[in-house]
Amino acid sequence: GIQVEQSPPDLILQEGANSTLRCNFSDSVNNLQWFHQNPWGQLINLFYIPSGTKQNGRLSATTVATERYSLLYISSSQTTDSGVYFCAVEWSGSARQLTFGSGTQLTVLP
Amino acid sequence: EAGVAQSPRYKIIEKRQSVAFWCNPISGHATLYWYQQILGQGPKLLIQFQNNGVVDDSQLPKDRFSAERLKGVDSTLKIQPAKLEDSAVYLCASTPVDTQYFGPGTRLTVL
Repeated sequence: GIQVEQSPPDLILQEGANSTLRCNFSDSVNNLQWFHQNPWGQLINLFYIPSGTKQNGRLSATTVATERYSLLYISSSQTTDSGVYFCAVEWSGSARQLTFGSGTQLTVLP
Repeated sequence: EAGVAQSPRYKIIEKRQSVAFWCNPISGHATLYWYQQILGQGPKLLIQFQNNGVVDDSQLPKDRFSAERLKGVDSTLKIQPAKLEDSAVYLCASTPVDTQYFGPGTRLTVL
């Protein structure tokens, strides 16, 4: 199966700082999603981004499928951005199944 | 549009007891998934349904876990008998085509 690695595993920021989260994957993918898991455990869709760049407010994401990585950018971070950020990929050899990375735990301090 | 609904939100049971979780996907979503998320890890797929048929249950511990999706809508995941290592959050997700949408999960504690 496919391997998904996220870095860094933990990140602590002051409010207002910018950050970049990385997701590396070991094989070709049809689908890549970024999720935010809030402190209550809810997984919230951020981006569906198998390739290219997308932006949504202070968040943006870029996937370079040929080089097998994706980046999530958070600008002007707020305390409500705290939580775990997961990258999940749908391997080309799977039937629309997501394989998750182990996540990046983000803590934004006031 | 209503999201994916799950119940109960929390459940505490003794080992060797049985437990059942319920999921109602987003209306019109043909594909439904159950995931297990152990503390500190990413969710792991247990079973995938397309309408009321099983697409993949290769990761489901079938000696104790079972799942069904009657009429291609709601789904139930059951554990019987539960073990200590089954303590986790059980997440249900659905998708119309590509993007998966997750419910709030059921947090199971096995004592």
